Amino acid sequence: RKEVEQDPGPFNVPEGATVAFNCTYSNSASQSFFWYRQDCRKEPKLLMSVYSSGNEDGRFTAQLNRASQYISLLIRDSKLSDSATYLCVVNMHGSGNTGKLIFGQGTTLQVKP
Amino acid sequence: NAGVTQTPKFRILKIGQSMTLQCTQDMNHNYMYWYRQDPGMGLKLIYYSVGAGITDKGEVPNGYNVSRSTTEDFPLRLELAAPSQTSVYFCASSYSGTSRYEQYFGPGTRLTVT
Repeated sequence: RKEVEQDPGPFNVPEGATVAFNCTYSNSASQSFFWYRQDCRKEPKLLMSVYSSGNEDGRFTAQLNRASQYISLLIRDSKLSDSATYLCVVNMHGSGNTGKLIFGQGTTLQVKP
Repeated sequence: NAGVTQTPKFRILKIGQSMTLQCTQDMNHNYMYWYRQDPGMGLKLIYYSVGAGITDKGEVPNGYNVSRSTTEDFPLRLELAAPSQTSVYFCASSYSGTSRYEQYFGPGTRLTVT
């Protein structure tokens, strides 16, 4: 089982749609969770951290379910500019792994006019 | 505040040549990382450093070397370049003080070995 698993997509949605991505992780001891965004041929950029209580940033909502070991990202009112690959990221845990993050392969979103 | 900067942006190497990819951060982050990303694939950790003078291997260290003489700089050295090292290389940094270790990336170096 991969340490972080995501559906690669692509997700093709019309402008204004609501779209949700899920991600599962294998290490129950993981403590930090993030969503990153990566545009084609660019560097990954931190989109938002994910907290146990859930958090929202404008049109973006992230949720964490520790019991089931999954993380979700909801994008409301999709814009053309949301087209990108979204990376689910989890910290590693255990001796010698402090500071290391595990990056999922990413889910590709294409928003159409 | 420039964040994480990388040079060069692009480079073409011949098989067997060597080069150093430069990475500098001005955020006073103590952790720094080197990743490679092959087309259509995820990020793979090459080396990382938890502070000046301390480095450790990641998932794919073979063919690479690093050093960390200052907090700001973390160069990656390729010795005897091979076509398998054709990739995009990203440098990143994070700060242990937040205990979350969110990483901030440089713009990348696109390397082709022919």
